[in-house]
Amino acid sequence: DIVMTQSPDSLAVSLGERATINCKSSQTSFFYSSNIENYLAWYQQKPGQPPKLLIYWASIRESGVPDRFSGSGSGTDFTLTISSLQAEDVAVYYCQQYYSSRTFGQGTKVEIK
Amino acid sequence: QVNLVQSGAEMKKPGAAVKVSCKASGYTFTLNAIHWVRHAPGQRLEWMGWINPGNGHTKLSETFQGRVTITRDTSARTVYMQLSSLTSEDTAIYYCARVGHVDTNMVGSFDNWGQGTLVTVSS
Repeated sequence: DIVMTQSPDSLAVSLGERATINCKSSQTSFFYSSNIENYLAWYQQKPGQPPKLLIYWASIRESGVPDRFSGSGSGTDFTLTISSLQAEDVAVYYCQQYYSSRTFGQGTKVEIK
Repeated sequence: QVNLVQSGAEMKKPGAAVKVSCKASGYTFTLNAIHWVRHAPGQRLEWMGWINPGNGHTKLSETFQGRVTITRDTSARTVYMQLSSLTSEDTAIYYCARVGHVDTNMVGSFDNWGQGTLVTVSS
């Protein structure tokens, strides 16, 4: 199985400052590669709501998502960046690989400092 | 616009089964795969399986060891997920999600989600 590990688990950022979340893929089997190419999505989840797609194919912003959200990376290491944090960005963010089955990161909670 | 509406909260006893529905609207039902994901308290999001509504073919997570069944009713534009032999560990919010932004193999991310269905398993 492909395991997705996010860092940090939580972060507090001042309004208007940058927030960066990392996501790394790894394999539980020695015989398989951890490389998921660009089969990577980022989701935002607010309390009481389902996850919302922000970024797909590692770097393509979903329609209607503010351009302060951006995704980068390929292979095994990926990043979600919020360039200027707004109050409405307080949420938990998840990465997901869809290269082999589907697995999610453990989530990163973003708060206002 | 695309909309996925799930059935309401369920309370079940251990050993029972639960069936959750996901009614789709706003797009051609048979053209997009539907997946099921659950979120148990304190756990990460967990993929359960998916169905091709066009032909009914499914692929299920081995994690559930044959306990999960996914079906669809094309006339009702509805996908169903049934989970049997419930234990307290199955207490979770269950989501259906539509696949979009696909590649040539019809693989893609989840561009629309249902609102979630809380399933509580307790004696």
